[in-house]
Amino acid sequence: NAGVTQTPKFQVLKTGQSMTLQCAQDMNHNSMYWYRQDPGMGLRLIYYSASEGTTDKGEVPNGYNVSRLNKREFSLRLESAAPSQTSVYFCASSVPGLAQPPRTQYFGPGTRLTVL
Amino acid sequence: GDSVTQMEGPVTLSEEAFLTINCTYTATGYPSLFWYVQYPGEGLQLLLKATKADDKGSNKGFEATYRKETTSFHLEKGSVQVSDSAVYFCALSLRSQGNLIFGKGTKLSVKP
Repeated sequence: NAGVTQTPKFQVLKTGQSMTLQCAQDMNHNSMYWYRQDPGMGLRLIYYSASEGTTDKGEVPNGYNVSRLNKREFSLRLESAAPSQTSVYFCASSVPGLAQPPRTQYFGPGTRLTVL
Repeated sequence: GDSVTQMEGPVTLSEEAFLTINCTYTATGYPSLFWYVQYPGEGLQLLLKATKADDKGSNKGFEATYRKETTSFHLEKGSVQVSDSAVYFCALSLRSQGNLIFGKGTKLSVKP
């Protein structure tokens, strides 16, 4: 049981390049999330997927797109990378909690992205 | 809007000292509250949580009590260890949403 896995762990891009960050979970969770972590800012939600086939914007969605490929996988795409997107990106998953107290989110190890 | 405010760090303590990290929240609904910990170079791990008023979450010697009257969820530990050095995040989640709203994090360094 690997939990939440992310690839790659590190990436350096030039301004204008595109890339996709991959995330997969093996806990049979319905909900998945993408956050970015910046110094002094905590974690901010980029996009989330409450269930397979649905995606919604979070607090900072501009410049990103997501795909919920199936129940296990949730990818984040940068179409034209900008230096402001230099950050550490975390994927997370959870059992949905809409009708019950919100459940714990489980985080991947992160992807450290630098855009030059 | 909904938000979490936690004390700014860094916090530096000697081993066996008492730890308090303050956390207060603003929420329109009735949130669940969490403390997550991030060790150097790693992702976030759940430390403890509480889902209703007066609940006490506890784990690894850490405790936090959900105080609705003061909208607070302060993290405490009676005797810290060097291995507790990490960044601690307070967070809330609402029934109407699934995502977490995080505080900015507090970096704790424990010296031998």
